[in-house]
Amino acid sequence: EVQLVQSGAEVKKSGDSVKISCQTSGFAFTNHYIAWVRQMPGKGLEWMGVIFLGDSETTYSPSFQGLVTISADKSLNTAYLHWNTVRATDTAIYFCARVAYSSTFFDYWGQGTLLTVSS
Amino acid sequence: SHVLTQPPSVSVAPGQTATITCGANDIGSKSVHWYRQKSGQAPVVVISYDRGRPSGIPERYSGSNSGGAATLTITRVEAGDEADYYCQVWDNDSDHVIFGGGTKLTVL
Repeated sequence: EVQLVQSGAEVKKSGDSVKISCQTSGFAFTNHYIAWVRQMPGKGLEWMGVIFLGDSETTYSPSFQGLVTISADKSLNTAYLHWNTVRATDTAIYFCARVAYSSTFFDYWGQGTLLTVSS
Repeated sequence: SHVLTQPPSVSVAPGQTATITCGANDIGSKSVHWYRQKSGQAPVVVISYDRGRPSGIPERYSGSNSGGAATLTITRVEAGDEADYYCQVWDNDSDHVIFGGGTKLTVL
């Protein structure tokens, strides 16, 4: 069974660093892409970027380039989303999602991680 | 890059048909995917590649892509269909993913 299990909610202060994770199981990790998607309170879905788990090649949305880092650890079958410095405007739910094999849509999603940043 | 335009809201009575559109320049040349997101949950794909229905999605859900817009159609709408619906494309030129703004489906 394919599963994407995300780390728990985070409460941070503006200026802190934070890293959230997406632990996967049930599929060949290195054959897939994992994307990160932001959903701000009461708003829609925003694609942040994607990583190919085979070689960790990443592509970022221009809106998030330079603001976050997407990475992966093959030994742990886990993808990560990292901020060096968070701001109050980063308060949102963050989802990881698997790109269906050789496809352009997301077939499995994590449960979401709520990041709350206070100023 | 593409902008995917969806109506903010659609309301239908139970048993009726809901139609949600997703518009963009040249969308007919793109593969469009649709997701349903119920309150407090992660999105779920309901239509892939314009009209493909993943296993577990009822036949009441269908999709099309022609005439300048992609369309998600839900027939015999039930209370359980109430959710936010998003269209999505993967732009091959930029290698970027684009989501529509989302449509809130209300079952009256």
